[in-house]
Amino acid sequence: EDKVVQSPLSLVVHEGDTVTLNCSYEVTNFRSLLWYKQEKKAPTFLFMLTSSGIEKKSGRLSSILDKKELFSILNITATQTGDSAVYLCAVVNNDMRFGAGTRLTVKP
Amino acid sequence: DVKVTQSSRYLVKRTGEKVFLECVQDMDHENMFWYRQDPGLGLRLIYFSYDVKMKEKGDIPEGYSVSREKKERFSLILESASTNQTSMYLCASSRRTSGSPRNEQFFGPGTRLTVL
Repeated sequence: EDKVVQSPLSLVVHEGDTVTLNCSYEVTNFRSLLWYKQEKKAPTFLFMLTSSGIEKKSGRLSSILDKKELFSILNITATQTGDSAVYLCAVVNNDMRFGAGTRLTVKP
Repeated sequence: DVKVTQSSRYLVKRTGEKVFLECVQDMDHENMFWYRQDPGLGLRLIYFSYDVKMKEKGDIPEGYSVSREKKERFSLILESASTNQTSMYLCASSRRTSGSPRNEQFFGPGTRLTVL
């Protein structure tokens, strides 16, 4: 059965900290892995990863995929209170399966 | 910018009522999706549609039906609402591409449905 597991489920940090969110998966016919940020509304797209070892970067956020070990990490450096959100990982094969999400709280 | 709108942000219904959730997208996307989101379970796909009048079951279609009469509109129907259908419902759309149609989905704001 296809599986997407995110860790930790919840994380509380202070502004300026760096955080690493994890997403591991077990799926057949892997095509891509996506990261979304969800605040008090709908998820917004962050990154799509298809190749191992190639870092995607957008400002203070970056992500990388390891297709051998079947996981991805999302890094956020110099966190700000506006980074507080649920971060969702989704894996695409012939279907699309979301993880349960990591709730990040950044305190001032 | 892609815009996906949902008819209601908050909805309260009684057990047994018929419920319609409407979703409209304005970017001529071929693909549309309905998810529900529950704590600890992430997003789970209910139904999706690749074209007008076409629908496919997702992971949890039981208790739901859908309608896609026009390209821009995808409706989720709860024929007889039950308390276990209390949830956040999210609609999404994406462009048909040569790869997976699920790659970049744009989400609506969500409808929080409470069934009493």
